[in-house]
Amino acid sequence: NAGVTQTPKFQVLKTGQSMTLQCAQDMNHNSMYWYRQDPGMGLRLIYYSASEGTTDKGEVPNGYNVSRLNKREFSLRLESAAPSQTSVYFCASSDEPASSYEQYFGPGTRLTVT
Amino acid sequence: EDKVVQSPLSLVVHEGDTVTLNCSYEVTNFRSLLWYKQEKKAPTFLFMLTSSGIEKKSGRLSSILDKKELSSILNITATQTGDSAIYLCAVTIQGAQKLVFGQGTRLTINP
Repeated sequence: NAGVTQTPKFQVLKTGQSMTLQCAQDMNHNSMYWYRQDPGMGLRLIYYSASEGTTDKGEVPNGYNVSRLNKREFSLRLESAAPSQTSVYFCASSDEPASSYEQYFGPGTRLTVT
Repeated sequence: EDKVVQSPLSLVVHEGDTVTLNCSYEVTNFRSLLWYKQEKKAPTFLFMLTSSGIEKKSGRLSSILDKKELSSILNITATQTGDSAIYLCAVTIQGAQKLVFGQGTRLTINP
């Protein structure tokens, strides 16, 4: 049982390049999330998917797109990377029991844009 | 705008000390408050507090939710170097499938 996995772990891009960050969970969770973490800023929500087939913008969606490929997988795409997108990216998932919104996090992707 | 604020942002103490971390929130339709510990990689879940469960304890860690003051504290007693981490507070909102995080408190325990 791997939980939430992310690839790649590290990536360096040049300004203007594109890339896709992959995330998969094996807990049969309905909801998945993408966050970015910058020093002193905590975690900020980029996009989320409450269920398969739906996606919604979070706090900082500009410059990103997402795809909920199936229940397991949720990818984040940077179409034209900018230095301001240098950050650590976390994917998370959660189930929808009435009493809990605990989220389970992947190990993160450290992205540097030069 | 929904907002979660943590204090202090950084704290350095000696092993064996007791620490209190603070989290305050201003959100519409509060549902629950969660505490996470983040060491080198992914945040890991510590506690969830709701209206029906305003105090939680696990070993040396405990947390209380004050719904009147819209805040929560996380206490760690007899701190150890392994407690060094960033502690994140997050709030969930009724009807919304997302967490709103605070900035985090970086706790350093010196031997």
